[in-house]
Amino acid sequence: GAGVSQSPSNKVTEKGKDVELRCDPISGHTALYWYRQRLGQGLEFLIYFQGNSAPDKSGLPSDRFSAERTGESVSTLTIQRTQQEDSAVYLCASSYGYGEHNEQFFGPGTRLTVL
Amino acid sequence: QKEVEQNSGPLSVPEGAIASLNCTYSDRVSQSFFWYRQYSGKSPELIMSIYSNGDKEDGRFTAQLNKASQYVSLLIRDSQPSDSATYLCAVSGYSSASKIIFGSGTRLSIRP
Repeated sequence: GAGVSQSPSNKVTEKGKDVELRCDPISGHTALYWYRQRLGQGLEFLIYFQGNSAPDKSGLPSDRFSAERTGESVSTLTIQRTQQEDSAVYLCASSYGYGEHNEQFFGPGTRLTVL
Repeated sequence: QKEVEQNSGPLSVPEGAIASLNCTYSDRVSQSFFWYRQYSGKSPELIMSIYSNGDKEDGRFTAQLNKASQYVSLLIRDSQPSDSATYLCAVSGYSSASKIIFGSGTRLSIRP
């Protein structure tokens, strides 16, 4: 497909388990973002990848959260030792990354529930 | 001061009226401005982008940008119940190091 895809769409896990969320950006998009959105809340920036530059990790809430990106393609967000407060929708978005036409396009999200 | 500020609402507008959504930003060198719509339980979707001072129209939507005042707005004409959603303002610089910053969103409710 032409859009951003994310998997899984839903994930239920037990407290203390690790989870891995995947994002496939739009082909050719050099920038990739991860956000967290708790129920009824706004977008919470987590991490930003731009090409081969060092990622902007300033939004990661704790060292239990990490993310990787292979080149300008797939990204994975890993949450270790999940806690109930990690329950949220995790959204991925991609864009061309710079210049005037820098619109972000969002994936459908992964709904994470930590029991 | 937040980098991108929006009134959280809810903003209630009667059907058929004009809904006006406002956003201010703090970074004077911002170059690109976007409006996203997010329905409950869905991902944000891009509805308008604007890069130059003035107005940009697309159907019932008009985006207005005033860089001197660091202000961007979205007007929705002939508001419909289907326009009820949260509207997110987003701002970006021009360089490759400039990430897009989102406001917290304004919840809009169109009452029949």
